Amino acid sequence: EVQLVESGGGLVKPGGSLRLSCAASGFTFSSYSMNWVRQAPGKGLEWVSSISSSSSYIYYADSVKGRFTISRDNAKNSLYLQMNSLRAEDTAVYYCARGTTVVTPADYWGQGTLVTVSS
Amino acid sequence: SYVLTQPPSVSVAPGQTARITCGGNNIGSKSVHWYQQKPGQAPVLVVYDDSDRPSGIPERFSGSNSGNTATLTISRVEAGDEADYYCQVWDSSSDHQVFGGGTKLTVL
Repeated sequence: EVQLVESGGGLVKPGGSLRLSCAASGFTFSSYSMNWVRQAPGKGLEWVSSISSSSSYIYYADSVKGRFTISRDNAKNSLYLQMNSLRAEDTAVYYCARGTTVVTPADYWGQGTLVTVSS
Repeated sequence: SYVLTQPPSVSVAPGQTARITCGGNNIGSKSVHWYQQKPGQAPVLVVYDDSDRPSGIPERFSGSNSGNTATLTISRVEAGDEADYYCQVWDSSSDHQVFGGGTKLTVL
């Protein structure tokens, strides 16, 4: 069974940093692209970042480029999102999601981790 | 950047057919994917590549895509179909995934 479990969310002050993790199991992690998608309270889905299976291709939404860094450790079956210079508008539930490639849809999603940016 | 436009809400009676649209410039040239999200839950992929269904998704869910509009059609709507629905494409000109704003389906 495919499982994606996010962790690392919490309350952080504006300008602060946070690192999210996503632990994957039930599939060959190194064969799949991975994505981060967020959802602000009461709002729609917003794509954040994608990384190819070997980390050769990495893409970011304009709203986070230069502040967030996506990475993965295939030996640990883990996906990460380093978030720096956080703003109030980054407050959201952050989902990790699996894709076959960076251009294909996300067929499995984790349950999400809440990030709250507030003073 | 590429924009996908969805109606904020669609209402339908049980047993009827719901159609949710997703508008975008020449969207017919792209592969469109649809997600269902129920309150407090993660999204679930219900249609991919315009009209294909993942395993486990009922045949009542179907999709089409032509010109400037893609459509998710839900036949014989049930109370359990009440949810938010999002369309998504890959925009190759910007190397961005793009989501529509979402449509809340209400079953009357």
